[in-house]
Amino acid sequence: DSGVTQTPKHLITATGQRVTLRCSPRSGDLSVYWYQQSLDQGLQFLIQYYNGEERAKGNILERFSAQQFPDLHSELNLSSLELGDSALYFCASSVSSGVYEQYFGPGTRLTVT
Amino acid sequence: GENVEQHPSTLSVQEGDSAVIKCTYSDSASNYFPWYKQELGKGPQLIIDIRSNVGEKKDQRIAVTLNKTAKHFSLHITETQPEDSAVYFCAATGANNLFFGTGTRLTVIP
Repeated sequence: DSGVTQTPKHLITATGQRVTLRCSPRSGDLSVYWYQQSLDQGLQFLIQYYNGEERAKGNILERFSAQQFPDLHSELNLSSLELGDSALYFCASSVSSGVYEQYFGPGTRLTVT
Repeated sequence: GENVEQHPSTLSVQEGDSAVIKCTYSDSASNYFPWYKQELGKGPQLIIDIRSNVGEKKDQRIAVTLNKTAKHFSLHITETQPEDSAVYFCAATGANNLFFGTGTRLTVIP
C-alpha cells in the first residue's frame, strides 16, 4: 500500500457525460500527478500540482481539468466524455515539486459506453 | 520530447534465474530513472530508482545500471521468484515530467 488513495475504483458512464476522480496523496506529500494508462498509449503524464498550484502539464486534453485543494487532495475532471477516454487513471504523489520518487495510487478504471 | 524504449516486451524465466530488462532514452538532459512494478489490478509500485550521477544501485535482489554515454539503463533481478511476475516499466525525466517505457511482462515459471 503506497498511502495514496483514489476514489472511485470503477466508474461507468455514457458518452458526453462529466465525471470527477478524486485523489488523496500520502501524508506529507505536496505534489500530485495525474496519469492515464491505456492499452494503445501506455502510461502518459497528464498534469502535476504542487501545493495547490499547477506545476507541469503533459498530454492533457482541453476537456480535462484538475485542481488541488488546500488539504492537498486533488480532483481530475473529465467532461464531454468519448469512448476513447476509457482507461485507467492514476494519481501519484511525491514530497517535492520535482518528478522524483512518485508513489502511485490504485487507480480509477473509467469505462465510457 | 523524451522518448523511452523498453525491451523485451515479454520475458519468461525459470524460478531462480536472473531477468534483465533494458531501456534507452533520447534526452541527454534526463537525470532520474525509476523502475516500477505493476501487478494485475494495482497501481505501479516504485521498486528502485537511480540518478544520473550514479552508475549502479542495488537493493537486495534488484539492481539498476545506467550508462549515460549510451543513454541506456537496465533492471536486473536475480534469484527470481514467482511473486516477481508482473509488468515492469522504466521511466526517464524530460521537461518536468516522467516518460514511461511500454512495459515488460515478466513471467517467472515455478
